[in-house]
Amino acid sequence: EPEVTQTPSHQVTQMGQEVILRCVPISNHLYFYWYRQILGQKVEFLVSFYNNEISEKSEIFDDQFSVERPDGSNFTLKIRSTKLEDSAMYFCASRMGLAGGVSSYEQYFGPGTRLTVT
Amino acid sequence: AQSVTQLGSHVSVSEGALVLLRCNYSSSVPPYLFWYVQYPNQGLQLLLKYTSAATLVKGINGFEAEFKKSETSFHLTKPSAHMSDAAEYFCAVSWSGGYQKVTFGTGTKLQVIP
Repeated sequence: EPEVTQTPSHQVTQMGQEVILRCVPISNHLYFYWYRQILGQKVEFLVSFYNNEISEKSEIFDDQFSVERPDGSNFTLKIRSTKLEDSAMYFCASRMGLAGGVSSYEQYFGPGTRLTVT
Repeated sequence: AQSVTQLGSHVSVSEGALVLLRCNYSSSVPPYLFWYVQYPNQGLQLLLKYTSAATLVKGINGFEAEFKKSETSFHLTKPSAHMSDAAEYFCAVSWSGGYQKVTFGTGTKLQVIP
């Protein structure tokens, strides 16, 4: 069964450093998302991406964050200058789109990248 | 705007007992509703989904949920708890418009007592 993959599984970085979290969505999916989950808290939406541009973003997704789909398979989240409060689990998700019928409403989540900022 | 409220951050049941995890939603448009399970140090796995078809939805691992519009609820149930059901469960809502971001509840940790 196709699945979303994320690398690395755990990233440790120092405050102020740039990090890039990588995701490979399911190949025929058209919509891509990043979410984050601070330890012990709920999962929060960060950004959605469709047709090579950001379609929606939350207030968390400030100028320090950016997303990119550099080729036909990868979807990346960049944090320009990490802060301690960026420590969280980051989940990538993808969705097929309307052509998929009812199954298109389902988002498939990757296993997450645990980011630790020291 | 859509939101979900999960009643009870922790629920304990005995092995073999009924599991009932409560979720109420708020949505100005017909919602799509989901339950996800998260095992320790793992990602999110979809248990089941409601997308405007049958109101009683069956999912994996023996779980089911019933969409009740009059009560704005989407409670998750399982007739008989197994030790392997111990995990955190998230109710979530999306909708047909926009780019369909998913809004999650705060989660309920299920403990199964032998």
